Amino acid sequence: DSGVTQTPKHLITATGQRVTLRCSPRSGDLSVYWYQQSLDQGLQFLIQYYNGEERAKGNILERFSAQQFPDLHSELNLSSLELGDSALYFCASSVAGGGWVGTDTQYFGPGTRLTVL
Amino acid sequence: ILNVEQSPQSLHVQEGDSTNFTCSFPSSNFYALHWYRWETAKSPEALFVMTLNGDEKKKGRISATLNTKEGYSYLYIKGSQPEDSATYLCASTGSGGYQKVTFGTGTKLQVIP
Repeated sequence: DSGVTQTPKHLITATGQRVTLRCSPRSGDLSVYWYQQSLDQGLQFLIQYYNGEERAKGNILERFSAQQFPDLHSELNLSSLELGDSALYFCASSVAGGGWVGTDTQYFGPGTRLTVL
Repeated sequence: ILNVEQSPQSLHVQEGDSTNFTCSFPSSNFYALHWYRWETAKSPEALFVMTLNGDEKKKGRISATLNTKEGYSYLYIKGSQPEDSATYLCASTGSGGYQKVTFGTGTKLQVIP
């Protein structure tokens, strides 16, 4: 158990809908990262927040957005869902803001499996 | 090399055998290389992060080396055990920063008892 929690574990929804995925980082970690893992694309970095502010952006679609709240939990909002958005969404956290550029160890949550029908 | 490539895609070894696999990454504008271990139905677990050419890291029976000039990293497992069965992922970051993070597709290791 990494100490990172994600809810819900599974989510099934229809095309065109909007969903919110939630992540609570490990106690003391200030950075939260979101990743998408789909069958045909492998693991892709979406976005990072550090202490409430966006720190880095990866391959995140405009239909997706995220935020990190004062209590450091984060939400990933996915809207106008398409079939291709079906994937496993991981959240990870790290102590500082170094992330990929530095040597911060990232601790991954168990993931949320999103199925869009 | 434009992308991060890992080889082999999958590997079956006998318990007790030592094994190694490769991660190739763009050597230009390189900044950092991460290795992860990902067991089925679990989440990725960080193994190593390396930044310097010639760097070697070790964690128990697992070790990794880095050659930034030629753009490759090796992961070695000594005396493989069934519990080492997992997918081993590497990810490279270019000096462009976060937006140049690229994952490989992983090497799936199966250790046969």
